[in-house]
Amino acid sequence: EAQVTQNPRYLITVTGKKLTVTCSQNMNHEYMSWYRQDPGLGLRQIYYSMNVEVTDKGDVPEGYKVSRKEKRNFPLILESPSPNQTSLYFCASSLPGAFLLYFGPGTRLTVT
Amino acid sequence: LAKTTQPISMDSYEGQEVNITCSHNNIATNDYITWYQQFPSQGPRFIIQGYKTKVTNEVASLFIPADRKSSTLSLPRVSLSDTAVYYCLVGDPPGGFKTIFGAGTRLFVKA
Repeated sequence: EAQVTQNPRYLITVTGKKLTVTCSQNMNHEYMSWYRQDPGLGLRQIYYSMNVEVTDKGDVPEGYKVSRKEKRNFPLILESPSPNQTSLYFCASSLPGAFLLYFGPGTRLTVT
Repeated sequence: LAKTTQPISMDSYEGQEVNITCSHNNIATNDYITWYQQFPSQGPRFIIQGYKTKVTNEVASLFIPADRKSSTLSLPRVSLSDTAVYYCLVGDPPGGFKTIFGAGTRLFVKA
């Protein structure tokens, strides 16, 4: 089954404790992206990657890092999480030349 | 990237046709218009995409006037399960994948 998976689905952590949210897709998509969703603000793009080793900032990249060492994986790294990063995070992938994004199930992160 | 404007919310009743309009006055020549649907706590799901005139699939229709400064997503005979947030996205995929979703339109379908 074609899908985007994220882990963990739920995470509660404390300020400053480094964490990684994994994202993997099995559709051989070149493009992958991370979004955060907060009430009333819709989806905001954090980072995106056009292909392996090619990443770029979205609208809200501060406090996040990404890497793209393999085509299928695009982990989101929070080196020193803060409470304002409490949010619902979505990973998505797509073939190039389309806005046909496939989204993962989401990761609900709480930073206390 | 073209900025989009949609109504914040809409109400409808089961069985009615719902039309959600998106304004995108600064749409560029190469931009496509794409609509997504999102249920609570789930990732958005692609509904339909178009460039001009009319596109129809098994879920919805998309109407785009000649000037392309707006588009209308039409959902025929909605049901309770169509209650969701609908996002309009405008952009040129080959030119880059920086995406702006906006706040979307919250559709509430009543029995």
